[in-house]
Amino acid sequence: AQTVTQSQPEMSVQEAETVTLSCTYDTSESNYYLFWYKQPPSRQMILVIRQEAYKQQNATENRFSVNFQKAAKSFSLKISDSQLGDTAMYFCAFQGGSEKLVFGKGTKLTVNP
Amino acid sequence: DAGVTQSPTHLIKTRGQQVTLRCSPKSGHDTVSWYQQALGQGPQFIFQYYEEEERQRGNFPDRFSGHQFPNYSSELNVNALLLGDSALYLCASSLYGLEYFGPGTRLTVT
Repeated sequence: AQTVTQSQPEMSVQEAETVTLSCTYDTSESNYYLFWYKQPPSRQMILVIRQEAYKQQNATENRFSVNFQKAAKSFSLKISDSQLGDTAMYFCAFQGGSEKLVFGKGTKLTVNP
Repeated sequence: DAGVTQSPTHLIKTRGQQVTLRCSPKSGHDTVSWYQQALGQGPQFIFQYYEEEERQRGNFPDRFSGHQFPNYSSELNVNALLLGDSALYLCASSLYGLEYFGPGTRLTVT
């Protein structure tokens, strides 16, 4: 069974600075997707970024980028130029051939003014 | 284009009662998944529906059941509610695997 581990329960960053959230996973599958979802206090789970395992190039979406290390089974999220609106819970998730999402326990990110 | 919608937003039930939660998928999506998110935890997969059939199921008891209608909307039913069923229930819809989530239903069991 796949597992996803987020080792940082909470993190904080100053506005305009850069922060990196960590995620490791375990799987025997070779083709899969990895995701970062953001969940603000409004509860809506919002897709931040998606990485396809067979693509070596790291995904980027504006201020959000990932560092995908397939051999190490590591998938970290870097947020540049942090904004107050980035304050939220961030979940790392794995999706294999079954298409169901397996989530980590989340990292609570606070952006301070 | 409306996203995934869920109803109700929140509700309170008593132990032993039954509850039905509803989900309307994003336009064009044919697959609906349900997740349970306990306080302070990540979402846990309950089951997934495709073409009105339960395609796969997570580690949840038979008290949790569902249905998908011809218009792809879905219901989650929970019988004999326990205090531990208190959680945020998230619905996600997808087409070819990329899931989009609804705002969730907050269920409190007293």
